[in-house]
Amino acid sequence: DAGVIQSPRHEVTEMGQEVTLRCKPISGHNSLFWYRQTMMRGLELLIYFNNNVPIDDSGMPEDRFSAKMPNASFSTLKIQPSEPRDSAVYFCASSFDRGGQPQHFGDGTRLSIL
Amino acid sequence: AQSVAQPEDQVNVAEGNPLTVKCTYSVSGNPYLFWYVQYPNRGLQFLLKYITGDNLVKGSYGFEAEFNKSQTSFHLKKPSALVSDSALYFCAVRDGLTGGGNKLTFGTGTQLKVEL
Repeated sequence: DAGVIQSPRHEVTEMGQEVTLRCKPISGHNSLFWYRQTMMRGLELLIYFNNNVPIDDSGMPEDRFSAKMPNASFSTLKIQPSEPRDSAVYFCASSFDRGGQPQHFGDGTRLSIL
Repeated sequence: AQSVAQPEDQVNVAEGNPLTVKCTYSVSGNPYLFWYVQYPNRGLQFLLKYITGDNLVKGSYGFEAEFNKSQTSFHLKKPSALVSDSALYFCAVRDGLTGGGNKLTFGTGTQLKVEL
């Protein structure tokens, strides 16, 4: 079975540019999570969706960040405008919301803002 | 509110020796507990979980974890460490009473280094 698929794997762009990260969750999963990982702050939950509806976006750092899930098989995380402090590895994870099922992570997008 | 503590930033162990990576938690209700491993340039990989039942849970790659309710701990163990076990390990908890999408709270991670 295919796991969580994230694209691109690496992104380097200049500050001020718009960045869009993409995620395809595991088929049949109904929960989707966006995380950010840095050395300084560790692993942070940015936002999560249940049945394509945003449930908790309290971790989204600023209005520059937005996330959408137009259907059960696709989600995007957008940063506009990007800043150097947004440089991090961004992970998407999905799970089936029943009985304590684990989250399954993609291999992340390494984002560098120059 | 739920929280997880991993008191050790790094654990060093010799290959062939037993290893323990510590985790304590706090939740309002019954805990759902998880261990994940992260290798360089990879996402977190699920190792094992405790939901209910036996306090000793067995998982992937020979790892196991022991749930201790009185000590609110869920330590990860392996009887004989391998160099290939060197990685970053995360403990995570979910309050079994809450709904809404399996939101987990992760610890800060413990770097395991297994040396020859």
